[in-house]
Formats: sequence, structure tokens, C-alpha cells
Amino acid sequence: SQTIHQWPATLVQPVGSPLSLECTVEGTSNPNLYWYRQAAGRGLQLLFYSVGIGQISSEVPQNLSASRPQDRQFILSSKKLLLSDSGFYLCAWSVAGGTDTQYFGPGTRLTVL
Amino acid sequence: SQQGEEDPQALSIQEGENATMNCSYKTSINNLQWYRQNSGRGLVHLILIRSNEREKHSGRLRVTLDTSKKSSSLLITASRAADTASYFCANGGGATNKLIFGTGTLLAVQP
Repeated sequence: SQTIHQWPATLVQPVGSPLSLECTVEGTSNPNLYWYRQAAGRGLQLLFYSVGIGQISSEVPQNLSASRPQDRQFILSSKKLLLSDSGFYLCAWSVAGGTDTQYFGPGTRLTVL
Repeated sequence: SQQGEEDPQALSIQEGENATMNCSYKTSINNLQWYRQNSGRGLVHLILIRSNEREKHSGRLRVTLDTSKKSSSLLITASRAADTASYFCANGGGATNKLIFGTGTLLAVQP
């Protein structure tokens, strides 16, 4: 069966520090991968998606970047965090060419102080 | 913004009652999906209805879709305290399987 992992689960970082969040998927090949951010009490905002290794599409201009160094690994990064980067970050995957159903990881709670 | 909206934003009911949540979307769709999110957790897929379908059932869940009105509803029958969560609709379509999520409904089921 397929599983998706995210770490860390929680993170508190000072403004201006770098960020690296990791997401890995097991049990499937060539998935579509997604990074979302969810502000408190709000819906999900799609940040990045990837349909293959090294292929990253950005949905909104921001202080973050994403990379996909391996087929089932998706990384969200920042060189210098801003206060506005605080939020709940969710990674998800879907079957390429499938029905669009997405499967979510447990999320990372990021607080920038 | 292409983001859909859900109504109501919050809903509080007693155990055993039915809960109805509505979703409106802005773009054309291939399908409409509903997800559930327990507090502080990831989203879990509940049900998918395709654009050529009008109604779909799964256990205590019933989803309807009206593409002429660009709206969908999720009905949870005989609610339980364990149904307490946020519920999101999402419309899908396209080669990259991108989903556009609604703003969510926070459901509280009182025991």
C-alpha cells in the first residue's frame, strides 16, 4: 500500500533562517506531487506541484521554492523565512493520469518568530 | 481567485441529526471531490463525483452535483461525534490533477 511521510511534524524557526521540509511517498511510482499551505482556519493554497523529477511548477510568487531530486521525494525550501511563512504545510500525491484524487501527508506546523 | 466557497462556514448539530454542507465553484470541472480534515491533521479523501453524475452515495455520505449552478452538496446522515471535522470540496480537472479547494465547513457534532 502507499504511504506518504512528512517531517518534521512541527518546527519553530526565527525570521531570516532557512527552511527545508521533506515529503516522501512509498509504494507508488511517478506520482504527481503537491505542496499546500493552510493558514489557520482557512482552506488550502496550492504552492507547487510536480509531474516528474526536476519538474516543478509554482502556483504563486513567494519566498519559497520546491525541488524533486528523486521520483518520490519532494522538498520545500526557503533561504530566509518571513513571518508570513508561518502555517500548516501539507504534501500530497496523486496517480499521474488518474482521477485527481489526492492523498495527503500528516503535515508540518511551521511557526516563524 | 478561483477558490470555491463553502456554506456554512461552521455548523453545529446534535448526534443523530443530518448535516448538509454546500459548495460553489467557479471553473469548469472534470469531477468534484470532498475531503475531511481532523484538527491539525492531513486531509482524507471521502468521495468523488464526476461531472456527468448528479448524485453519489458512500455509506452515510450523499453527494449531489449541479453543474448548471456550479454547486455541490455533501449530506452526512445520522451524524456521530466522530464526524466532527472540517470538510472541504475540491474541483479537479486537467493533466496535472490539480485541485482547487473550497474554504471549508467546520462541523461540530455534539454528543
